[in-house]
Amino acid sequence: AQSVTQLDSQVPVFEEAPVELRCNYSSSVSVYLFWYVQYPNQGLQLLLKYLSGSTLVKGINGFEAEFNKSQTSFHLRKPSVHISDTAEYFCAVTPNSGGYQKVTFGTGTKLQVIP
Amino acid sequence: NAGVMQNPRHLVRRRGQEARLRCSPMKGHSHVYWYRQLPEEGLKFMVYLQKENIIDESGMPKERFSAEFPKEGPSILRIQQVVRGDSAAYFCASSPLLAGGETQYFGPGTRLLVL
Repeated sequence: AQSVTQLDSQVPVFEEAPVELRCNYSSSVSVYLFWYVQYPNQGLQLLLKYLSGSTLVKGINGFEAEFNKSQTSFHLRKPSVHISDTAEYFCAVTPNSGGYQKVTFGTGTKLQVIP
Repeated sequence: NAGVMQNPRHLVRRRGQEARLRCSPMKGHSHVYWYRQLPEEGLKFMVYLQKENIIDESGMPKERFSAEFPKEGPSILRIQQVVRGDSAAYFCASSPLLAGGETQYFGPGTRLLVL
């Protein structure tokens, strides 16, 4: 079974400052990793995903994440946040073993960008 | 290309009534997933369906909950005899392929309130 830990439930940051949202996972097999964003009263939207290859993954809206296998982490970063980035961010994992595999989500991190 | 559609967006039921949540996947998508999001929690997987088949219902409560994805029409998540603990946001997602790293596209959710 897989699990995802997002230790920070809320992260306040000033506009134009950098931000890092932490994600650690646990799995006995190789995994695919995802970051989704949820704006208020909306569904989840994919920011980026890691399937294979380069461990640095670039996504939409200027976000990027780095897969670190030894530390079992997939932290999300943005060098300069905007007010519009205020949302909840979910890290997710699924086994990398082909066919159907259930996606496991973390509990989310609420990013609050302060003007 | 319309995204995943869910209706109703908001649903209020009294204890003991039935709730029916509908999900129309994106055009060309034959895989549907239902998730439940409780306040301050992440998304919890409920069920995965393909047309006319339930593939994985390991996240569904054993009683009162059922899901279907008929040959024609939307997927339906049905909750019988609702209780206050069923109050949550229910999200549907769809994907075009079965491959493990496939992105799931989420609908806007149905927010169920049980009085």
